[in-house]
Amino acid sequence: GIQVEQSPPDLILQEGANSTLRCNFSDSVNNLQWFHQNPWGQLINLFYIPSGTKQNGRLSATTVATERYSLLYISSSQTTDSGVYFCAVESYDYKLSFGAGTTVTVRA
Amino acid sequence: EAGVTQFPSHSVIEKGQTVTLRCDPISGHDNLYWYRRVMGKEIKFLLHFVKESKQDESGMPNNRFLAERTGGTYSTLKVQPAELEDSGVYFCASSRRGLAGNSGANVLTFGAGSRLTVL
Repeated sequence: GIQVEQSPPDLILQEGANSTLRCNFSDSVNNLQWFHQNPWGQLINLFYIPSGTKQNGRLSATTVATERYSLLYISSSQTTDSGVYFCAVESYDYKLSFGAGTTVTVRA
Repeated sequence: EAGVTQFPSHSVIEKGQTVTLRCDPISGHDNLYWYRRVMGKEIKFLLHFVKESKQDESGMPNNRFLAERTGGTYSTLKVQPAELEDSGVYFCASSRRGLAGNSGANVLTFGAGSRLTVL
């Protein structure tokens, strides 16, 4: 199956700081999603981004499909941004393969 | 629209007992998926329904796991008998079936998960 690697595994930020999370994947994919797992365990879809760049408030994401990576940017981080961020790639049979996640802790 | 609903949110059972997890997808979503995350490892695919049919069950770990989706609406995942290694969080997700000519629009919406603890 497709291998998905996320880095860094853990990230500690001071409130207001910016950060970049990376997702590398091993094969061509149909699509890519970024999720945020909130403190209640729910996986919240942040971006559906097979290629290009998208922005949503303080978050933005860029996927370079030809080079098999995606980046998630968090700007002006807030304590509510804490949680685990997952990258998941969709193979052509609509099956998602997840990375191990990046645990983000934002300190006030 | 209401989101994907899962229950119970947390279940604690003894090894050898049976547990049934339920997922109510978003109304009108033909695709329903089960995923699980055990002991801090990656979230892994279990199976995929399209309406009431199992499209892909290649991720089901063994025959102690049985998934059903009667009438193409809600789905249940039964673990019988439960083992210690089954502990983890079981996620359900749903999506609309992709439109003809649209190759990629399969956005999954996940539920909050059901945490299973087997003692």
